[in-house]
Amino acid sequence: AQSVAQPEDQVNVAEGNPLTVKCTYSVSGNPYLFWYVQYPNRGLQFLLKYITGDNLVKGSYGFEAEFNKSQTSFHLKKPSALVSDSALYFCAVRALNRDDKIIFGKGTRLHILP
Amino acid sequence: EAQVTQNPRYLITVTGKKLTVTCSQNMNHEYMSWYRQDPGLGLRQIYYSMNVEVTDKGDVPEGYKVSRKEKRNFPLILESPSPNQTSLYFCASSAGRASGNTIYFGEGSWLTVV
Repeated sequence: AQSVAQPEDQVNVAEGNPLTVKCTYSVSGNPYLFWYVQYPNRGLQFLLKYITGDNLVKGSYGFEAEFNKSQTSFHLKKPSALVSDSALYFCAVRALNRDDKIIFGKGTRLHILP
Repeated sequence: EAQVTQNPRYLITVTGKKLTVTCSQNMNHEYMSWYRQDPGLGLRQIYYSMNVEVTDKGDVPEGYKVSRKEKRNFPLILESPSPNQTSLYFCASSAGRASGNTIYFGEGSWLTVV
């Protein structure tokens, strides 16, 4: 069965420091992996996705994510955090099967400290 | 502008009073889905639809109904709401069954059942 784990409920990072939000997944077959961000009182916004090809994926707002097949991970990263990056981040996995199901992690709240 | 529109955004209702949350997308997407978001539980899928007249249960379908009579609309119906259905609801859509397609979300509907 498909699953996504975000092991940290909350991550605190000082402004200007690099940030990492962790995600591991379990899926049979090739994974399609996504990161979404949710700002207060807003819907989820697409950040980036991995379908195939280069393991380092670049997305919106300076974020990137690295697909690691051997570790079944898809960690979200940014070289220099901004206070405005403070939000709730969701990792998601989707696999091509009968129901084309999309599974979301429970979310990680990122706090960037000024 | 590509959009998923949900209404109402905020609603307080009483136990047992039927309500409908509408969802409409303007991207001609085949796939539509409803999620609920609860603290500590992340996003859980309620129902999804692969195309017109095709709907299927997600992980938490109890107490909900959906219909897909037109491609652009996917309303969520609570026939007899109960307090445990108090939650933040999101409608989402994406193109086709290709798993790499990005999922687009509405802004969310805050529902309180008293």
